[in-house]
Amino acid sequence: SYVLTQPPSVSVAPGETARITCGGNNIGSKSVHWYQQKPVQAPVLVIYYDNDRPSVIPERFSGSNSGNTATLTISRVEAGDEADYYCQVWDRSLDQAFFGGGTKLTVL
Amino acid sequence: EENLVESGGGLVQPGRSLRLSCAASGFIFDNYGMHWVRQAPGKGLEWVSSISWNSDDLNYADSVKGRFTISRDNAKNSLYLQMNSLRVEDTALYYCVKLRNVGGPFDSWGRGTLVTVSS
Repeated sequence: SYVLTQPPSVSVAPGETARITCGGNNIGSKSVHWYQQKPVQAPVLVIYYDNDRPSVIPERFSGSNSGNTATLTISRVEAGDEADYYCQVWDRSLDQAFFGGGTKLTVL
Repeated sequence: EENLVESGGGLVQPGRSLRLSCAASGFIFDNYGMHWVRQAPGKGLEWVSSISWNSDDLNYADSVKGRFTISRDNAKNSLYLQMNSLRVEDTALYYCVKLRNVGGPFDSWGRGTLVTVSS
């Protein structure tokens, strides 16, 4: 299997920048997608293909991917950004999708 | 508006079977690959299975291979997951998910149906 490693939690104050990492072996060679999940809600796509953003997602959300780490960056964090965030890739050699363990973003 | 509605979840004993269904609307169903993703209570997301638009390509997570079977009926805009030999660790909320394109993101999710495996 392909292992994606995320920090269990990240905390930031409102207005600051949150960075959530997703580590994987040579993840820079894969396309990474990010999902936001708020309590008792289904996940929502926030970043796809490393750094593309659905039109309904604020520009404050961005992504990067290089080497062994992909990063979701949320600028000017708001209280409404508090949620669990998951990274995801498709492994072509295994024909399977994999999710990171998830990161709980807390807005202080 | 794209809409995915799962059904078929419930309480089942270990070793028994259950069939989940997903009704799709708001998009051209047979243009897209479809997936099942599950989430155990208080845990993270786990990919379960995928099916290509024409059912030619089926894939499974190692944890369900040989026990679960994914299928679809494009005439009925429906996706299915036949789950056999259920285990306690299969207890989860099962999401029906639309794939934007091959290798792409999951861009539409249902609300999920809860499967509880317990004696």
